[in-house]
Amino acid sequence: SYELTQPPSVSVSPGQTAKITCSGDALSKQNAYWYQQRPGQAPILVIYQDNKRPSGIPERFSGSSSGTTVTLTISGVQAEDEADYYCQSGDITVTLFGGGTKLTVL
Amino acid sequence: QVQLQESGPGLVKPSETLSLTCAVSGYSITNSYSWGWIRQPPGKGLEWIGSIYHTGGTSFNPSLKSRVAISIDMSKNQFSLTLTSVTAADTAVFYCARQLRWTTVFKDVCYFDYWGQGLLVTVSS
Repeated sequence: SYELTQPPSVSVSPGQTAKITCSGDALSKQNAYWYQQRPGQAPILVIYQDNKRPSGIPERFSGSSSGTTVTLTISGVQAEDEADYYCQSGDITVTLFGGGTKLTVL
Repeated sequence: QVQLQESGPGLVKPSETLSLTCAVSGYSITNSYSWGWIRQPPGKGLEWIGSIYHTGGTSFNPSLKSRVAISIDMSKNQFSLTLTSVTAADTAVFYCARQLRWTTVFKDVCYFDYWGQGLLVTVSS
């Protein structure tokens, strides 16, 4: 099916590592992208083409891919990382978003 | 610096047509790239509505395709969205964004790098 599935929520303590997964058949054929969205703000791209980091995004953000699952990893989580995270994939005809994961920093 | 700004009515009546515009500054939309619309109902996730290539070719979310149109106004460096026959379920924050979108031998490239701040549109009588 052409859907992307994310866990609704992930919680971690400051300084720990957060892993957010995204699953879907499309991911075995197409790249994955990750966006961070803080409350009341527009999304910001944090990972593109599975594991590339845009300029200005901290090194603690990384991405990986295996089969039909991609993972966003945030190492040494900081309070400012608390936000909603969305995976996205697609081709030149269709763009698809996951349902989003709320990251809570305890 | 590329900037995008959505504009349009914040309130639309049920069964009417929603029309929004995205003004782009810092980049000519006719140079390259695609330009897309994404919406987010209150408290919910992101939903891609559709995109238009700088050449005018369009693609749409299959679930909205019958009600959506996207066009480009080169003279004003902006692009627009129309959504017909709206209902309360169309209430959302609407974002416009620049989309990098092209095909390769391996995997297509398809993502949004610059976003507008978003515009809340409420469908209500």
